[in-house]
Amino acid sequence: AQKVTQAQTEISVVEKEDVTLDCVYETRDTTYYLFWYKQPPSGELVFLIRRNSFDEQNEISGRYSWNFQKSTSSFNFTITASQVVDSAVYFCALSDVNSGYSTLTFGKGTMLLVSP
Amino acid sequence: DAGVIQSPRHEVTEMGQEVTLRCKPISGHDYLFWYRQTMMRGLELLIYFNNNVPIDDSGMPEDRFSAKMPNASFSTLKIQPSEPRDSAVYFCASSTRGQGVRNEQFFGPGTRLTVL
Repeated sequence: AQKVTQAQTEISVVEKEDVTLDCVYETRDTTYYLFWYKQPPSGELVFLIRRNSFDEQNEISGRYSWNFQKSTSSFNFTITASQVVDSAVYFCALSDVNSGYSTLTFGKGTMLLVSP
Repeated sequence: DAGVIQSPRHEVTEMGQEVTLRCKPISGHDYLFWYRQTMMRGLELLIYFNNNVPIDDSGMPEDRFSAKMPNASFSTLKIQPSEPRDSAVYFCASSTRGQGVRNEQFFGPGTRLTVL
C-alpha cells in the first residue's frame, strides 16, 4: 500500500534561514505522482508542485526548490531565505495506480514556524 | 476564475442535529473529493465522485454520513445525527484528469464544524 511519511512534525527557524522539509514515500508502482501543498494559518490548502516519477530533475521556483530522489524514495522541499509568510503546515502527497491516480495519500504534515 | 466554493465557512450545531455542507467545484472539473481534517487523524478522504457518480466511499466513517452530487456544479455532505466527534474542518476539492496527466486537486477554503 502507498504511504507518505513526513517525519518532522514541527520546525522552527529564524527569518532568512534555509529550511528543508523531508518527505519519504512508499509505493509498489513505477509510475506515480508526488505533490506538495501548503496550508497557511488561514486554513486553505494551496497546491505548490506536482512531479511524476519519470522526471527526476530538481525544480526551482523562486525561493522554493524540490529534490526528487527515486533511489531513496524522497521528495524533499527546501525554502531558501525563509520569510515569516512561509509559516504554514506543509503536506506531501502521493498518487499512484492503486487509486487509479485519482486520489491522494497525504503525509501528516510538517508545521513550519518562521520567526522574525 | 472562481476556485472551489464551500458553504458555510463555519457551522456550530448541537449534538443530534442534521448538518449539511455544500460545495461547488471548479467549472469543468470532473472529479470531486470530500476530506475531513482533524489534529488526531490529519487529512482523511471521505468520498470522491467522478462525473457525479460516487466512486469510493470507503472513507465515510459511518452511516450517519452521506454525500450526493446531483449535478456537475454542486455536491453536499450531510451528517445526521451529528456528534461531538464529528467536529473537524471539512474540505471539498476538485480536479480534472486531462489527457494522460494526473492533475492536482484544488481545495476549497473548508468548513469548520463544531458539534456541541
